[in-house]
Amino acid sequence: AQSVAQPEDQVNVAEGNPLTVKCTYSVSGNPYLFWYVQYPNRGLQFLLKYITGDNLVKGSYGFEAEFNKSQTSFHLKKPSALVSDSALYFCAVRDDTGFQKLVFGTGTRLLVSP
Amino acid sequence: EAGVTQFPSHSVIEKGQTVTLRCDPISGHDNLYWYRRVMGKEIKFLLHFVKESKQDESGMPNNRFLAERTGGTYSTLKVQPAELEDSGVYFCASSQVSSTIVETQYFGPGTRLLVL
Repeated sequence: AQSVAQPEDQVNVAEGNPLTVKCTYSVSGNPYLFWYVQYPNRGLQFLLKYITGDNLVKGSYGFEAEFNKSQTSFHLKKPSALVSDSALYFCAVRDDTGFQKLVFGTGTRLLVSP
Repeated sequence: EAGVTQFPSHSVIEKGQTVTLRCDPISGHDNLYWYRRVMGKEIKFLLHFVKESKQDESGMPNNRFLAERTGGTYSTLKVQPAELEDSGVYFCASSQVSSTIVETQYFGPGTRLLVL
């Protein structure tokens, strides 16, 4: 069975500092990994995805994520955080064995302080 | 291009009543998904349509939930009768059908359902 773990309920970072939001996964086949962000009173917005190839994936709003197969991780990163990055971040996975449903983690709230 | 839209944005109903949620996918997207997030927990898959056919309904919690997608366009999710544990945010997503790429699912703003 597929699963995703986001070990931190909340991440606090000061504006201008680098940020990392952690995600680990478990799938039976090859993983396809996604990050989504939910701003207050908004829906989920797609940030980036890893399918294959380069382990460093670049996405929207300056975010990037690093795929690590040996550690089964897909951490979200940004070199310099903005206050406007404060939101709820979800990691999701699906595999290549057929069904297209996404399996999500519980979400991590990112709080960037001025 | 319009995104995925959902109606209503909020719904408050009494236990035992019926509620119908609507989702309009992005034009041209044959894949349509329903997900649900119960307070503070993960977002869970409910079901997946390809056009008007149910491809995967393994996440539907019980027979009080009925999803339809007549004509392969918009979809409705009806809960009848609603129970307290049905409260949560119901998300709809859509994506293109492709045999060569892993498509991205684009989500709507969600419908926040509260059952009292």
